[in-house]
Amino acid sequence: GAGVSQSPSNKVTEKGKDVELRCDPISGHTALYWYRQRLGQGLEFLIYFQGNSAPDKSGLPSDRFSAERTGESVSTLTIQRTQQEDSAVYLCASSLAGTAQETQYFGPGTRLLVL
Amino acid sequence: SQQGEEDPQALSIQEGENATMNCSYKTSINNLQWYRQNSGRGLVHLILIRSNEREKHSGRLRVTLDTSKKSSSLLITASRAADTASYFCATALRGSNYKLTFGKGTLLTVNP
Repeated sequence: GAGVSQSPSNKVTEKGKDVELRCDPISGHTALYWYRQRLGQGLEFLIYFQGNSAPDKSGLPSDRFSAERTGESVSTLTIQRTQQEDSAVYLCASSLAGTAQETQYFGPGTRLLVL
Repeated sequence: SQQGEEDPQALSIQEGENATMNCSYKTSINNLQWYRQNSGRGLVHLILIRSNEREKHSGRLRVTLDTSKKSSSLLITASRAADTASYFCATALRGSNYKLTFGKGTLLTVNP
């Protein structure tokens, strides 16, 4: 694939339900990042993967949020018992090696609406 | 609080004019990057400037960095309607290997 892809594009769910958001990074990129963007705001860092390991989960807002990555490829961000304040666009990015000198390549995002 | 803060929050100009956006940050950085976002979706990387650089150009983009003032500016010359987007600065903090901290962005509207 040419770029980072995310699915679904949009997700509407009811408060209390669990959701899974998927990210397919650029092939060969070892670093993967999840961000959250609330309406009209900047990006909040959620979690960083280097390979399949997550050395930095410091941005996950609560224990309802978790993420995993397998095969040094696909990543899934899971939000359990969703709340209305979880409504946001969730963006995934990948980079080649995970250094701050690199460009991060972003997917189109998943727009989550919790009713 | 945000590491990077863009100014102004919104900017509206006519096609052909230049647009200048500013970013201020609080702590020492490794580099500063500018990204563009259309319609609240994925971000596109525009330019990276390292802490030991003062100015960088890419096409119609010019970025400056003043580490003594902890500020950067993004200049878009001869703007086009297609430049309408949100522009974010992102800082890589010194000592951080990978993490970028984003500001809230400047919404640029270029009127035809």
